[in-house]
Amino acid sequence: EVQLLESGGGLVQPGGSLRLSCAASGFTFSSYAMSWVRQAPGKGLEWVSAISGGGGIASTYYADSVKGRFTISRDDSKNTLYLQMHSLTAEDTAVYYCAKEVSSSWLDWGQGTMVTVSS
Amino acid sequence: QSALTQPASVSGSPGQSITISCTGTSSDVGSYNLVSWYQQHPGKAPKLMIYEVTKRPSGASNRFSGSKSGNTASLTISGLQADDEADYYCCSYAGGSIVWVFGGGTKLTVL
Repeated sequence: EVQLLESGGGLVQPGGSLRLSCAASGFTFSSYAMSWVRQAPGKGLEWVSAISGGGGIASTYYADSVKGRFTISRDDSKNTLYLQMHSLTAEDTAVYYCAKEVSSSWLDWGQGTMVTVSS
Repeated sequence: QSALTQPASVSGSPGQSITISCTGTSSDVGSYNLVSWYQQHPGKAPKLMIYEVTKRPSGASNRFSGSKSGNTASLTISGLQADDEADYYCCSYAGGSIVWVFGGGTKLTVL
């Protein structure tokens, strides 16, 4: 059974940093592209970032809203996906989901971790 | 990259069929057969219902179907049931560095 478990969310002040983690199990993590998708309170889904799978040097992709502030990475030896977030603003307040990409879609999702940016 | 356009809300009675549209551009929906649809109940993670425009993952009800014409994709739910009441999001591959774009979401109410 595929499991994705996010952690690292919490309350952070504007301008602060946070690192999210997503521990994966139940599948060959290294073989799959992974994404972060977020959802602000009462709002819709927003794709944030993606990283390729398959080994070698991973390709990374970012939404314009986070480019230059967020960094996605993966440690295939630990079956873990990361999202390093810097220069956080109130607009980054959201539930952050990690998701496993299959056939250009996301079949498996974590339960999400809440990030609140507030003073 | 602009979000895909979905109606804010749709409604239907049990047993009826409804269709939710998702309008993009020639750079996303119109260029790729890579539209997916997600169902989300309150407080829950999204659930994949349709991928690659028309395909259903195992576990998704066959009452859900997808289609596309030009820059607009559609999700049809037939034989509406109470549990179908949820938010629905479309998503399209957009290529380049942007990669993915979501619709704003549609709230389905089963009357």
